[in-house]
Amino acid sequence: EVRLVESGGGLVQPGGSLRLSCSASGFTFSSTAMAWVRQAPGKGLEWVSSLSHNSASAFYAESVRGRFTISRDNSENTLHLQMNSLRAEDTASYYCAKYRHGVLWFRESLDWWGQGTLVTVSS
Amino acid sequence: SYELTQPLSVSVALGQTARITCGGNNIAAKNVHWYQQKPGQAPVLVMYRDANRPSGIPERFSGSISGNTATLTISRAQAGDEADYYCQVWDSSTAYLLFGGGTKLTVL
Repeated sequence: EVRLVESGGGLVQPGGSLRLSCSASGFTFSSTAMAWVRQAPGKGLEWVSSLSHNSASAFYAESVRGRFTISRDNSENTLHLQMNSLRAEDTASYYCAKYRHGVLWFRESLDWWGQGTLVTVSS
Repeated sequence: SYELTQPLSVSVALGQTARITCGGNNIAAKNVHWYQQKPGQAPVLVMYRDANRPSGIPERFSGSISGNTATLTISRAQAGDEADYYCQVWDSSTAYLLFGGGTKLTVL
C-alpha cells in the first residue's frame, strides 16, 4: 500500500526557516516524480513545487521561487522541502503527493497524497 | 497567465446527476485531472487525463472535455459525494501546475 507521511511542520516566526520531509513507502520511489501542494486554512489547493524522479528537473510556483527548495534522497525514500524567508502567507497545510507515471511526468496527475503537515508562520 | 475557472458551488438532489465544470482557454489541449477533498482529509484523485477513473473510484464518476470546458459528472449522487472538487492541469507555457479554485458539492 502506498504511504506518504509528512513531518517537520510547526510554528515559525516570519523570516525563519523550516524543513519539511515526506517519507514514502509502498511504491518505487526512485522512479516516481513528486510534488508539494499546500492549502491555507479555509482556502483551495495551491501547488508549490515538483521534482522529477532523478532530481534533474524541478519546478516552483512563482510565490515560493527563490525561497523554497525541493529535494529528494532516493536512498532514503524521502522528499524534502526547505523553506526559507517564511512569510505569514506561507501558513498552510503542506501535502506531499506522488505523480502517476507517464512519459511527460509533469502533465500527469497526483495519484496519492499524504495527510499533510501544518506550517504556521507567526510572531 | 493560464487560469482555471470553477463554480464556487453546485447543488444536486440525492440520486440525481451533478456536473462540475472547469473552464480554461483551449483546455481540451491539456490533460485535466480532478480531485475530491472531504473536510479534514487529503485530496483524492477521482479522474485523470480528462476521462479516466483510477481504481476504486465508482463508475458513477465520469469525465469529459470539449473546447474550453472540462466536466466532472457524478451520477446517482450520494451523501458521501459531498466534498470540494478541484480540477488541475499543467501549463507548459509557464511550467506551472495549476488548480481551479474548487467547487463545493452539496447533496440535498
